[in-house]
Amino acid sequence: GAGVSQSPSNKVTEKGKDVELRCDPISGHTALYWYRQSLGQGLEFLIYFQGNSAPDKSGLPSDRFSAERTGGSVSTLTIQRTQQEDSAVYLCASSSLAGGGYNEQFFGPGTRLTVL
Amino acid sequence: AQSVTQLGSHVSVSEGALVLLRCNYSSSVPPYLFWYVQYPNQGLQLLLKYTTGATLVKGINGFEAEFKKSETSFHLTKPSAHMSDAAEYFCAVSPSGGANSKLTFGKGITLSVRP
Repeated sequence: GAGVSQSPSNKVTEKGKDVELRCDPISGHTALYWYRQSLGQGLEFLIYFQGNSAPDKSGLPSDRFSAERTGGSVSTLTIQRTQQEDSAVYLCASSSLAGGGYNEQFFGPGTRLTVL
Repeated sequence: AQSVTQLGSHVSVSEGALVLLRCNYSSSVPPYLFWYVQYPNQGLQLLLKYTTGATLVKGINGFEAEFKKSETSFHLTKPSAHMSDAAEYFCAVSPSGGANSKLTFGKGITLSVRP
């Protein structure tokens, strides 16, 4: 079946512009995560969505970052007034919550964001 | 708070040699533990995980890792390196229990394999 997809695969923008990154999780997966992979900081958790529960936003680095998940499926990560330090690969992952115990996160290919 | 330490950023081995990638974690309660691999220009792929049960876990491509609670370690090994193992490897932890399984990653180690 189809995996996690992300678009665009690459995005180049100018400092100060807003960008939107999209994630399509695996069908039926109720949990969705955003991570950021950058040279200086490695892989960092950004935000977690689960069903209709309030999202865990504890990893968002500033109030310029926000995310939505509409209809419990597609998610959009928005970065306002981009800065050069926002340049990174943004990864999305999804998992099911079927049964107890751990449910594996499946990662998308990422969106490479470059802020000039 | 949980954290993961992967010492060093680069390991180089000869083809056929033992691969050992070290990972230590810090957590107030035993977490779930993972190794992920990222091949060049590809996404993250789960190699193996420890959640409960046997402390020696086997993963894909001949890799295995052992959870040692007393040492707070989860080192990754492979008896014989292959050229195709060249990639970046990430150790990660997540809270055990609960629905939110957000991952905390180490900095990653780049593995090079010499012919």
